[in-house]
Amino acid sequence: DADVTQTPRNRITKTGKRIMLECSQTKGHDRMYWYRQDPGLGLRLIYYSFDVKDINKGEISDGYSVSRQAQAKFSLSLESAIPNQTALYFCATSDLGPESGANVLTFGAGSRLTVL
Amino acid sequence: AQSVTQPDIHITVSEGASLELRCNYSYGATPYLFWYVQSPGQGLQLLLKYFSGDTLVQGIKGFEAEFKRSQSSFNLRKPSVHWSDAAEYFCAVGARTGGFKTIFGAGTRLFVKA
Repeated sequence: DADVTQTPRNRITKTGKRIMLECSQTKGHDRMYWYRQDPGLGLRLIYYSFDVKDINKGEISDGYSVSRQAQAKFSLSLESAIPNQTALYFCATSDLGPESGANVLTFGAGSRLTVL
Repeated sequence: AQSVTQPDIHITVSEGASLELRCNYSYGATPYLFWYVQSPGQGLQLLLKYFSGDTLVQGIKGFEAEFKRSQSSFNLRKPSVHWSDAAEYFCAVGARTGGFKTIFGAGTRLFVKA
């Protein structure tokens, strides 16, 4: 099994629908992240969490919300999806080890979301 | 503010040829530096990282990168490219304070021709 698992891998939905992308990890890492990838823009940070009680906005959080249900689970919600949220979404984790300040990221395989 | 520039959107090299992917960054001090690779349909995988010390770092799959402070660059190199290296490559910088924020470049897609 993958260290970081994202579900669903692909989703097509309609404008206005609520969508949840889920992420679970077996790395035992405390830090979890949601990134969005768009062609030509690289990855942009949506939300991040340092532990179960800590949630922080990233650079593009508008239109998104997150929930950290447990150390191993971090879900991303689109309350009312719109077409410009069509993108590839990645969950990532990192630990708090000696090199934690260096923030080496472990990524899931991605969730491709299409909003019609 | 941190930023990362990868000047080449895509590069095509012949199998067996050498490769250099460029990366320039903007940061007030020396950041943590990374190269990640994304194969089709997969997530990003860490190729190599620079934290401190020797400015030439070795990574997986025969890749290396050199940190040049004077040029604010962290270029990725491989002496002989294999067809399986075709992928998208992302340079990234991480702040040394706070430690949480990693900024990615836009990526360079590598095509390998036979």
